Amino acid sequence: QSALTQPRSVSGSPGQSVTISCTGASSDVGNYNYVSWYQQPPGKAPKLMIYDVNKRPSGVPDRFSGSKSGNTASLTISGLQAEDEADYYCCSYAGSYTWVFGGGTKLTVL
Amino acid sequence: EVQLLESGGGLVQPGGSLRLSCAASGFIFSSYAMSWVRQAPGKGLEWLSAISGSGYSTYYADSVRGRFTISRDNSKSTLYLQMNSLRAEDTAIYYCAKLPATPNGVWMYYFDYWGQGTLVTVSS
Repeated sequence: QSALTQPRSVSGSPGQSVTISCTGASSDVGNYNYVSWYQQPPGKAPKLMIYDVNKRPSGVPDRFSGSKSGNTASLTISGLQAEDEADYYCCSYAGSYTWVFGGGTKLTVL
Repeated sequence: EVQLLESGGGLVQPGGSLRLSCAASGFIFSSYAMSWVRQAPGKGLEWLSAISGSGYSTYYADSVRGRFTISRDNSKSTLYLQMNSLRAEDTAIYYCAKLPATPNGVWMYYFDYWGQGTLVTVSS
C-alpha cells in the first residue's frame, strides 16, 4: 500500500489551466477506474471534486476535469480562480476494499 | 443535509487507547459503508479502515491492522474507531467519511462526505 505520487506543488495565474498528476501502480490506478480527487483548503476537511476518474459531483464547476492513462491519473483545473487555491489529493481503490491516497499537491494561484 | 461529526480525540500517552466516534445524520446510516481517514500534521491523507453498512465486514490498512478496530451502531447512527497500542506516529486528525452506494446497495469506491475531524495527539 504505497502512497500515490503527486507533485508537491503547482501554480498558475488566474484564468490559466493547471494539471496535477497522480502516479500509482498496476495494482491500483492502473487496474481500476476508481480514481477520485479531493480539494482541501487550509484547516478544512477534504471535499470530493472528481470520482471514477472523470465524473464530477453536482455542484463542482466544470472547470475541474479528470483523466487517466495507464498508471497515471490527472486532474486539470481550467480558468483558474483564486478560490481554487488549496491542497489536492488523489485517491485510488486498491482492491479488497482498501484505498490509497497521494501525498497531496499544493496549488498556488499567483 | 448529510452531516458527520467526529468526537473523542485528545491527548493520550504512548501505549494508551482511545475511542473515536462519528455521529451521522441526514441519510439512512445503515445503508452506507463508512471509513476512517487520518492526516498527520503537515502530511497527506491516509486511508485507515472501512466497514460495511451492516457492520459485518471490516477492512484495514496494514499500518493499523491488529491495533485499530472499526465498528458501528446503526441504532445510534454512529461510527467508531477503537485505537489501542497508540504510537507517536498515530498523531493526526482523524476524519470519518461516507461511501456512496448504487441503488442496489453496492459500494462505490470514493468518499462523498467527510466530517470536520478530531485531533489525536500521542505524547508523553
